[in-house]
Amino acid sequence: NAGVTQTPKFQVLKTGQSMTLQCAQDMNHNSMYWYRQDPGMGLRLIYYSASEGTTDKGEVPNGYNVSRLNKREFSLRLESAAPSQTSVYFCASRRGTGSLDEQFFGPGTRLTVL
Amino acid sequence: QKEVEQDPGPLSVPEGAIVSLNCTYSNSAFQYFMWYRQYSRKGPELLMYTYSSGNKEDGRFTAQVDKSSKYISLFIRDSQPSDSATYLCAMSGGSYIPTFGRGTSLIVHP
Repeated sequence: NAGVTQTPKFQVLKTGQSMTLQCAQDMNHNSMYWYRQDPGMGLRLIYYSASEGTTDKGEVPNGYNVSRLNKREFSLRLESAAPSQTSVYFCASRRGTGSLDEQFFGPGTRLTVL
Repeated sequence: QKEVEQDPGPLSVPEGAIVSLNCTYSNSAFQYFMWYRQYSRKGPELLMYTYSSGNKEDGRFTAQVDKSSKYISLFIRDSQPSDSATYLCAMSGGSYIPTFGRGTSLIVHP
């Protein structure tokens, strides 16, 4: 049982390049989330998917797109990377059955945009 | 003003000390209150959660919520070097999507 996995672990991009961060969970969870974490800023929600087939914007969606490929996978795409997107990106999932339950986080992707 | 305020620290204490970590919030709709622990270069993991005002104890950890003051606390008794981590408070309303504080860095030195 791997939980939440993210690839890649590290990435360096040049300004203007594009890339997709991958996330997968094997817990049969309905809801999945993408956060970014910057020094002194805590975790900020980029996008989330409450259930397969739905996606919604979070607090900081500009410059990002997401795809809920299936129940297991939720990807985050940067179409034209900017230095302001240098951050650590975390994917999370939860059962999402209409009551409070635990969010499980992946190990993170450290992205640097030069 | 951010919805959730948390002092980033760092907070440095000797082993065995009682640690108090705190957050304040402004959104009256918050009804679920959580504490996450994050070790360096790892993802956060849920430590405790509470619903409404009151105390909840789990081993050396006690979570306290005062909704009238919009103030939550996490107490760690007999702190250990292995407790050194960043502690993030989080809270949510009916959507169950948490809003996180900035996190407090805790260092417990032997």
